[in-house]
Amino acid sequence: DTGVSQDPRHKITKRGQNVTFRCDPISEHNRLYWYRQTLGQGPEFLTYFQNEAQLEKSRLLSDRFSAERPKGSFSTLEIQRTEQGDSAMYLCASRHTGENTGELFFGEGSRLTVL
Amino acid sequence: LAKTTQPISMDSYEGQEVNITCSHNNIATNDYITWYQQFPSQGPRFIIQGYKTKVTNEVASLFIPADRKSSTLSLPRVSLSDTAVYYCLVGEDPRGGSYIPTFGRGTSLIVHP
Repeated sequence: DTGVSQDPRHKITKRGQNVTFRCDPISEHNRLYWYRQTLGQGPEFLTYFQNEAQLEKSRLLSDRFSAERPKGSFSTLEIQRTEQGDSAMYLCASRHTGENTGELFFGEGSRLTVL
Repeated sequence: LAKTTQPISMDSYEGQEVNITCSHNNIATNDYITWYQQFPSQGPRFIIQGYKTKVTNEVASLFIPADRKSSTLSLPRVSLSDTAVYYCLVGEDPRGGSYIPTFGRGTSLIVHP
């Protein structure tokens, strides 16, 4: 098992461009979460999936943000018309709901810089 | 959602025991206490979880008093590699259907030589 992987690790873009991040969770993990983290703050919840179903979205997830998990495996997070305030680390995590502690396994994140 | 309060930062030296206390006065009956560790440029990593009394694993111990309004993460004999941010999370039973771990700002621990 290779853990949660995220791609790209770093992305620099100009304001107004669209960006997409990919997350490959641990295989057989049915829950997948997206978080955003800015400097000096803890991760902030954005959304999560149970298999392919998106079950909850935070108010932080404006209509410029969209996430998918089409086959219940990998997930993508797209940000349209990026703004400088979108600059952050985007973290993906996965877990299996059959596991008692609810432990989330995080990837190393995708760092976005919007110029 | 129970609000947590923990120190913004702490300093220690190699070989010392470090105790990080988290206050959660409005913890609910079904809430569990979970601690994560985060190194720079990495995602958080689960350390330990408990409901009451004491839990110990190979990395840390978690002490929870009877009223459960606070908890203390204890790291024995820290090393430089324990320099990280430590998050205290309080939330519903993780076996529940809508479990969403919620992070605060955490405690930045710096271990000095």
